[in-house]
Amino acid sequence: SAVISQKPSRDICQRGTSLTIQCQVDSQVTMMFWYRQQPGQSLTLIATANQGSEATYESGFVIDKFPISRPNLTFSTLTVSNMSPEDSSIYLCSAIEWSSYNEQFFGPGTRLTVL
Amino acid sequence: ELKVEQNPLFLSMQEGKNYTIYCNYSTTSDRLYWYRQDPGKSLESLFVLLSNGAVKQEGRLMASLDTKARLSTLHITAAVHDLSATYFCAVDKGGSEKLVFGKGTKLTVNP
Repeated sequence: SAVISQKPSRDICQRGTSLTIQCQVDSQVTMMFWYRQQPGQSLTLIATANQGSEATYESGFVIDKFPISRPNLTFSTLTVSNMSPEDSSIYLCSAIEWSSYNEQFFGPGTRLTVL
Repeated sequence: ELKVEQNPLFLSMQEGKNYTIYCNYSTTSDRLYWYRQDPGKSLESLFVLLSNGAVKQEGRLMASLDTKARLSTLHITAAVHDLSATYFCAVDKGGSEKLVFGKGTKLTVNP
């Protein structure tokens, strides 16, 4: 199965600043996604990271707040912009390998705290 | 809008007992996933169920899918402490690979 790494693993940020989270997969994947998991809650899909084009956002999430890049098949970034305490969450990227029969693997997550 | 409901949300079991976690979803889907999450960790893929009647087993866990009833079950046999974790089911939204997650079932297995 694909191995997914994320950087940073955690961060504490000040209100109004931005943080970029990196997601790296060790093999070529078809699709990459970004999810948010608020404390003690389930996962909510933020967007699909499309290679070489704009990400596709889910209802309630917008590009200005969560710009996403995916310059190649194995790497994506998510930026959390103009942060507020409500953005404190775990952000996880996920990916589907070419040969995984749609199985979706998740990265270790980035734990973000906004003060 | 696809909704996924799990129950129970909290489950405390004795070692050696059997129990079932249920996952209901609101719109047609042929793909359902079960994940495990340990505290402070990411999600570990347990099962991928891709068709009606699919049944998969790994150790003390068995998952099944009934697409007509829009129901999946995760059955735990002779629970052991190591199974303590939060279990999520997730349903593929219309074949898009986008997953909608249930709220999770926090399982505690007591000695």
